[in-house]
Amino acid sequence: GAGVSQSPSNKVTEKGKDVELRCDPISGHTALYWYRQSLGQGLEFLIYFQGNSAPDKSGLPSDRFSAERTGGSVSTLTIQRTQQEDSAVYLCASSLEGANGELFFGEGSRLTVL
Amino acid sequence: AQKVTQAQTEISVVEKEDVTLDCVYETRDTTYYLFWYKQPPSGELVFLIRRNSFDEQNEISGRYSWNFQKSTSSFNFTITASQVVDSAVYFCALREAAGNKLTFGGGTRVLVKP
Repeated sequence: GAGVSQSPSNKVTEKGKDVELRCDPISGHTALYWYRQSLGQGLEFLIYFQGNSAPDKSGLPSDRFSAERTGGSVSTLTIQRTQQEDSAVYLCASSLEGANGELFFGEGSRLTVL
Repeated sequence: AQKVTQAQTEISVVEKEDVTLDCVYETRDTTYYLFWYKQPPSGELVFLIRRNSFDEQNEISGRYSWNFQKSTSSFNFTITASQVVDSAVYFCALREAAGNKLTFGGGTRVLVKP
């Protein structure tokens, strides 16, 4: 489709395991964001990629979290040694512009850490 | 630091009633952008409106209207003659021109009963 695609849509893992979440942005969008939404909560900013610039990692909650964006397109969010508090919906968004661009969101990846 | 506050966590109305969602923001920037997003039960956030800090004109789009007042740092959203399909969580968000991230409020859950 033409929208932001995220996979997997659901992931259940055991505490201590590593997980990878994938985001395929809208073609041509230079900006890509990861947000986290815990149950019944608002959206927490995690990381932002813009073109070839260094990513803004200021929202990553710990060094267990990392993300990369290959070739300016697909992004992978990796969570190492998952903890129960990592359980949330991880949302990816992309946009055409920088500061004032509308963000297009994917449907999210729901992570459950047992 | 930027901050968005949505004081109402949940609003319940009967169909055809009007409902106003409050949004108050904090920023030190003189140039910034305000947004409203809708998150229906399916989970995917849908963009509703963007307003820049230089444009205080109120806007109406069908049954939706927005009231931006810089003097009170508010950007309120009204749904007129609500319908069951309006049931969703609504997020207000702020982006400073100098920054990368979109900061979201905690969201307001709107429940429209038939």
